[in-house]
Amino acid sequence: RKEVEQDPGPFNVPEGATVAFNCTYSNSASQSFFWYRQDCRKEPKLLMSVYSSGNEDGRFTAQLNRASQYISLLIRDSKLSDSATYLCVVNPLLYNQGGKLIFGQGTELSVKP
Amino acid sequence: EAGVTQFPSHSVIEKGQTVTLRCDPISGHDNLYWYRRVMGKEIKFLLHFVKESKQDESGMPNNRFLAERTGGTYSTLKVQPAELEDSGVYFCASSQAYNTQGGGLTEAFFGQGTRLTVV
Repeated sequence: RKEVEQDPGPFNVPEGATVAFNCTYSNSASQSFFWYRQDCRKEPKLLMSVYSSGNEDGRFTAQLNRASQYISLLIRDSKLSDSATYLCVVNPLLYNQGGKLIFGQGTELSVKP
Repeated sequence: EAGVTQFPSHSVIEKGQTVTLRCDPISGHDNLYWYRRVMGKEIKFLLHFVKESKQDESGMPNNRFLAERTGGTYSTLKVQPAELEDSGVYFCASSQAYNTQGGGLTEAFFGQGTRLTVV
């Protein structure tokens, strides 16, 4: 079983749609959680951290359920520029401790006009 | 401020040859990581330096891979001899030292990667 599993993609949605990505992780001792975004042939970039209380950044909302070992990302009013691969990432250490990142395979999103 | 830079951006070598990848982290970042993505798979951790010391090398696939970070600045990852299954994109990332004040986020910044093809 993979340590981090994501919805298989790709997701093809029209502009303005709401899209949700789901992710589960196997190690209950994981301490910190993130969504990264990776554009084609580019490096991964941090989109947002994910906290137990849930957090929002503009059109993006992330949720964490530690009991279910489940992480989600919701994108509202999707834009063409949101087209990318979204990576679910966990870390055995806390947010301020650095440490290795464990990546899911990524879910590709394509937003069409 | 310059980001994480990697060299070369692409490398095509024959099986059995040696290749050395270089990573220059963001200035002042003590933590340096190497990751790899092989085709169709997820990005996987290879190893972690704190300054010049190897903190965690649990992800290194075998002894054909050697990573160094002399002086705690740039790092090299050498593959010798290269095999076909070593093909993939090798990413380097760096982050600041552990935040001893307890809050905040130690974000890892990635370089654009080196695309290695072994033929």
